[in-house]
Amino acid sequence: EDQVTQSPEALRLQEGESSSLNCSYTVSGLRGLFWYRQDPGKGPEFLFTLYSAGEEKEKERLKATLTKKESFLHITAPKPEDSATYLCAVQASGGYNKLIFGAGTRLAVHP
Amino acid sequence: DVKVTQSSRYLVKRTGEKVFLECVQDMDHENMFWYRQDPGLGLRLIYFSYDVKMKEKGDIPEGYSVSREKKERFSLILESASTNQTSMYLCASSLTGQGNIQYFGAGTRLSVL
Repeated sequence: EDQVTQSPEALRLQEGESSSLNCSYTVSGLRGLFWYRQDPGKGPEFLFTLYSAGEEKEKERLKATLTKKESFLHITAPKPEDSATYLCAVQASGGYNKLIFGAGTRLAVHP
Repeated sequence: DVKVTQSSRYLVKRTGEKVFLECVQDMDHENMFWYRQDPGLGLRLIYFSYDVKMKEKGDIPEGYSVSREKKERFSLILESASTNQTSMYLCASSLTGQGNIQYFGAGTRLSVL
């Protein structure tokens, strides 16, 4: 069964304290791995797509990496405005564009 | 920019009522999706549609139905609302081939009393 597990469930950082969020997945043929950011009371906002092991993408203080079993979202020198829930999702081959989501990591960055 | 609009941000309904949640996208996407989001469970797919009048069951379709009469509009219907359908409902759309990125609406928080 296709599955996505995110850890930790919640993370509290001080401003400037770099860290990483983990997304482990099992899927029958990975078509793509997606990272989204979700602010309270809003819909998820697309951040990155990764398609193959070894691929990396960056956006401001965020960098996403992918291996054959997991993805990491690295946050460098975070600011309070990076506080949000970060969602990971995978799309399996032959999956009709369906996404399978993890439960998310709630990130709080304190000044 | 892709825009996915959900008709209501908040809804309060009574048990047994028929509830309609509407979603409209303005980017000519062929794929549309309905999810529900509950704490600790993440987003779970209810139904999706890959073309007008076409629909496929997701992981938790029980108690729900959908309608897609026009390409831009995808409706979620709760035939007889129950308290366990209290949740955040999210609509998304995507274009096959353009990275299959799903774009989400702001969500509808439904409370069934």
